[in-house]
Amino acid sequence: AQSVTQLGSHVSVSEGALVLLRCNYSSSVPPYLFWYVQYPNQGLQLLLKYTTGATLVKGINGFEAEFKKSETSFHLTKPSAHMSDAAEYFCAVSEGQGGSEKLVFGKGTKLTVNP
Amino acid sequence: ETGVTQSPTHLIKTRGQQVTLRCSSQSGHNTVSWYQQALGQGPQFIFQYYREEENGRGNFPPRFSGLQFPNYSSELNVNALELDDSALYLCASSLYGVQYFGAGTRLSVL
Repeated sequence: AQSVTQLGSHVSVSEGALVLLRCNYSSSVPPYLFWYVQYPNQGLQLLLKYTTGATLVKGINGFEAEFKKSETSFHLTKPSAHMSDAAEYFCAVSEGQGGSEKLVFGKGTKLTVNP
Repeated sequence: ETGVTQSPTHLIKTRGQQVTLRCSSQSGHNTVSWYQQALGQGPQFIFQYYREEENGRGNFPPRFSGLQFPNYSSELNVNALELDDSALYLCASSLYGVQYFGAGTRLSVL
């Protein structure tokens, strides 16, 4: 069965500092990997996705993530945090097109950005 | 192109009642998935519909049921509501394995 572990339920950074949110997954098949962001009282917005091809993927709002198969990781980074980045971030895995498309989510990491 | 829309946005029910939540898919998307997100948790997969047929189900009891219509819109029905059903219910439509979410319906069961 697939699973996702997000290390750190809360991460706090200063404005302008590096953001690093960690995600490790387990999957018995080549995974599709996703990061979603959720602002208070809202649904999930897709930040970026890895399906196949280039292992470094760029998303919206300056975020990027790197798929590392050997480490079963898909960490999310942003070079310089902005106050508007404060939200909850979810990493998710699926078997992708042709497999079970259900998403298995991590428990989420709440990002706080301090002025 | 419109995104995924869900209705209603908020709902209050009492224990034992039944509820129907609705979802309109993003244009061209033939797959709809439903998730339950309890407070402080990640979303949990309820079930998925592909071309009007159930295409996978999570660990939810039979009182959670669904439908997908020919236009790919969908309903989630929950019978005999329990207090623990209070959550944000998210619908996502997908094409080629990437899911796009609506804003959700927040259900409160009193």
